[in-house]
Amino acid sequence: NAGVTQTPKFQVLKTGQSMTLQCAQDMNHNSMYWYRQDPGMGLRLIYYSASEGTTDKGEVPNGYNVSRLNKREFSLRLESAAPSQTSVYFCASNGGQGYAEAFFGQGTRLTVV
Amino acid sequence: AQSVAQPEDQVNVAEGNPLTVKCTYSVSGNPYLFWYVQYPNRGLQFLLKYITGDNLVKGSYGFEAEFNKSQTSFHLKKPSALVSDSALYFCAVRDIGSARQLTFGSGTQLTVLP
Repeated sequence: NAGVTQTPKFQVLKTGQSMTLQCAQDMNHNSMYWYRQDPGMGLRLIYYSASEGTTDKGEVPNGYNVSRLNKREFSLRLESAAPSQTSVYFCASNGGQGYAEAFFGQGTRLTVV
Repeated sequence: AQSVAQPEDQVNVAEGNPLTVKCTYSVSGNPYLFWYVQYPNRGLQFLLKYITGDNLVKGSYGFEAEFNKSQTSFHLKKPSALVSDSALYFCAVRDIGSARQLTFGSGTQLTVLP
């Protein structure tokens, strides 16, 4: 029972490089989310997808793009990485109802030098 | 707007003693409230939630939380702490009447001392 799977687990980028973080869930959830976690700031929502075919900006979308490829997969792209994007990134999913708890992936630790 | 405050960055408690991790929230309507736990180098794991009804909510691993509407609080509690409870704890809120997504607190590091 995999749940939410993120790849890669670790990544080091140089400033200006691009990369895509991959996320897949096998729980048939409608909604998927990308968060970043920074010390002392909790989790901040970058983008979310309420259902297949839709995406919306969260609290901190600048510098990121997303694609909801199908119901299972939701990717996050950094077009031109900056040191301020050094963070731990988490993908999550839930059934879409307001009361539904979210299930999280293991995280991607990204360092931009 | 919705927000969550976890006033303590760090909580230390001796093994076997009761523990409390504090959370207060602000929403314009009624809240859905959640507690998550994060162990080192892991994702967040769901502990418990308040939707409606009984103000005392029981969750995983012996944790419980009390919803207090007048104080806008949702404190996490456990009667007897274990060393294995040491982790980072997050409170989160969603306004029922809003399309806004979950808002997380800044987290509280719980250390249970043997």
